[in-house]
Amino acid sequence: AQTVTQSQPEMSVQEAETVTLSCTYDTSESDYYLFWYKQPPSRQMILVIRQEAYKQQNATENRFSVNFQKAAKSFSLKISDSQLGDAAMYFCAYRGSYGGATNKLIFGTGTLLAVQP
Amino acid sequence: DTAVSQTPKYLVTQMGNDKSIKCEQNLGHDTMYWYKQDSKKFLKIMFSYNNKELIINETVPNRFSPKSPDKAHLNLHINSLELGDSAVYFCASSQQIAKNIQYFGAGTRLSVL
Repeated sequence: AQTVTQSQPEMSVQEAETVTLSCTYDTSESDYYLFWYKQPPSRQMILVIRQEAYKQQNATENRFSVNFQKAAKSFSLKISDSQLGDAAMYFCAYRGSYGGATNKLIFGTGTLLAVQP
Repeated sequence: DTAVSQTPKYLVTQMGNDKSIKCEQNLGHDTMYWYKQDSKKFLKIMFSYNNKELIINETVPNRFSPKSPDKAHLNLHINSLELGDSAVYFCASSQQIAKNIQYFGAGTRLSVL
């Protein structure tokens, strides 16, 4: 069974600085998707970034980028120029690519990010 | 327009009661999901429907019964509520093939007293 591990329960960053959130996963599949979701205090789950395992290039969305190391099964999120609005719980998630019962998202336990002014 | 909408946002009820949470998506997706987020913020899949057919059922007590009248709706009915059912329940939807991104509703906070 697939598992996702986030080893940092809490992180803190100064406004305008850069922070990296860690995520590792375990799977025997060769093709899959990885995601970072953000959950602010409003509770809404917001997709931050997505990576397809077959793509070697790391995904980037504005200030958010990932470091995807397939062999190491590592998928970290880098937030550059941190803003107060980035303060939230961040979840790493895995999803299989074969449809049907593999459609489910498997989440890590989350990292609570605080942004200091 | 809200893409995935859940009602109600908050639900407070007594142990033993039966309650329902409704979910609707207007994205034209063919797959819908229910996730449960417990008090420690851990998110876990409960059910998934594809075109009204149940495709994922993750060892959830049979007091929980999902119902999908059409592919735009997936409701969750819970019988004989227990204290341990208190959680936030999220509905999500996706298109099975295209992009595989799941879009979430705002969640329903269920409190069982």
